[in-house]
Amino acid sequence: DAGVIQSPRHEVTEMGQEVTLRCKPISGHNSLFWYRQTMMRGLELLIYFNNNVPIDDSGMPEDRFSAKMPNASFSTLKIQPSEPRDSAVYFCASSLSGSSYNEQFFGPGTRLTVL
Amino acid sequence: AQSVAQPEDQVNVAEGNPLTVKCTYSVSGNPYLFWYVQYPNRGLQFLLKYITGDNLVKGSYGFEAEFNKSQTSFHLKKPSALVSDSALYFCALMNRDDKIIFGKGTRLHILP
Repeated sequence: DAGVIQSPRHEVTEMGQEVTLRCKPISGHNSLFWYRQTMMRGLELLIYFNNNVPIDDSGMPEDRFSAKMPNASFSTLKIQPSEPRDSAVYFCASSLSGSSYNEQFFGPGTRLTVL
Repeated sequence: AQSVAQPEDQVNVAEGNPLTVKCTYSVSGNPYLFWYVQYPNRGLQFLLKYITGDNLVKGSYGFEAEFNKSQTSFHLKKPSALVSDSALYFCALMNRDDKIIFGKGTRLHILP
């Protein structure tokens, strides 16, 4: 298996532009998580899905952020409009949820720079 | 409220010496605890977990962790450190919704 796939790996954009980050989870996994990592705030959970349904989006910073999971093999995180303070590394992770308390598998991340 | 704490921002260890990265937790009910490692410019990688059973858990790369219920701790250990162990280490606690709460991370430096 190729693991969790994220694209793009790097994104540089100007303030006010729309940014879309993409994630393909590991086949067979039914939970998907979006995280943001910065030096100041560490690793933050933004939103997570179970069986394609958003379960907890309390970590989404504000309405400029939105996430979708149209099917079991694809998810997007969109920022519109982007701001410099959104600059961070965004990680997607997936797991097989249930009663086994399984670990999450992380993608390589997307490094976003908003100028 | 559930929480996990890593009291040290950074740990320095000489190569070949034993290492310990500390983690304490707070939870009502049974704790489900994890350790992850992050190498530069990479995503987090799972090292080991404690769900139930033996208090000493063995994981990847020679790491192990000891669950101590009375001290509410889950410290990560390795008998002999390698320079390649230098990385950022995260302790994490899972709740019943499969949501993981991560500590702030401890940067481990292994000095040659």
